[in-house]
Amino acid sequence: EVQLVESGGGLVQPGGSLRLSCAASGFTFDTYWMSWVRQAPGKGLEWAANIKQDGSEKYYVDSVKGRFTISRDNAKNSLYLQMNSLRGEDTAVYYCARGPGAGVFDYWGQGTLVTVSS
Amino acid sequence: DIQMTQSPSTLSASVGDRVTITCRASQSISSWLAWYQQKPGKAPKLLIYKASSLETGVPSRFSGSGSGTEFTLTISSLQPDDFATYYCQQYDTYFTFGQGTKLEIK
Repeated sequence: EVQLVESGGGLVQPGGSLRLSCAASGFTFDTYWMSWVRQAPGKGLEWAANIKQDGSEKYYVDSVKGRFTISRDNAKNSLYLQMNSLRGEDTAVYYCARGPGAGVFDYWGQGTLVTVSS
Repeated sequence: DIQMTQSPSTLSASVGDRVTITCRASQSISSWLAWYQQKPGKAPKLLIYKASSLETGVPSRFSGSGSGTEFTLTISSLQPDDFATYYCQQYDTYFTFGQGTKLEIK
C-alpha cells in the first residue's frame, strides 16, 4: 500500500524558515517524480514544486522560487521542502504527492499545516 | 501561465441526480487534464486523467470529456459519498488547478 506521511509543519514567524519531510513507503520511491502541493485555508490547490527521480531536475511555482528548495534522499525514501523567508501567504496545508507521473498526482499524503504569523 | 476556470463554484443536487462540472483552460491544453475529488480535511483523490481516462478503482458513474480548452466532469447518478469539492488540473505546461466546485446536498 502506498503511503506518504508528511511532518515538520507548525507555526513560524514571517521571515522564518521551516523544513518539511515526507516519508514514502509501499512503492519504489526512486522511480517516481515527487511533488509538494499546497492549499491555503479555505482555498484551492496550488502546485509548489517537483523533483525528478534522481534529483537532477527541480521545478517551482514562481511564488516560491528563490525561497523554497525541494530535495530528496532515495536511500531514506524521503522527500523534503526547505522553506525560507516565509510569508503570510505561504500559510497552507502542504501535501506530499507522488508524481507527476504522466502529469498527474496519483497518491497524496494527509498534509502538514504551516502557519506563518507573528 | 495557463489559467483554469471551473463552473459553477457551488452546485446543489440530490442523490440520484446527473451532474456536470465544467472546466475551461485559458489556452489549449489538448487532453492534458485531470479531475480530483476532495472531502473536508482529506487529501485530494485522483478520479480522471487525460481528460477521459478513469483512474483504477474509481466508480464508472464518473466520466470526463473534452479537449482543447473546454472539459466536463459528469457524475451519472449521485451517491451520498460523492458530495465533495472537485478540482480540475492541467498538465500541459507545469501544473495549475481550477478554483474548485463544491457539490452540496440539495
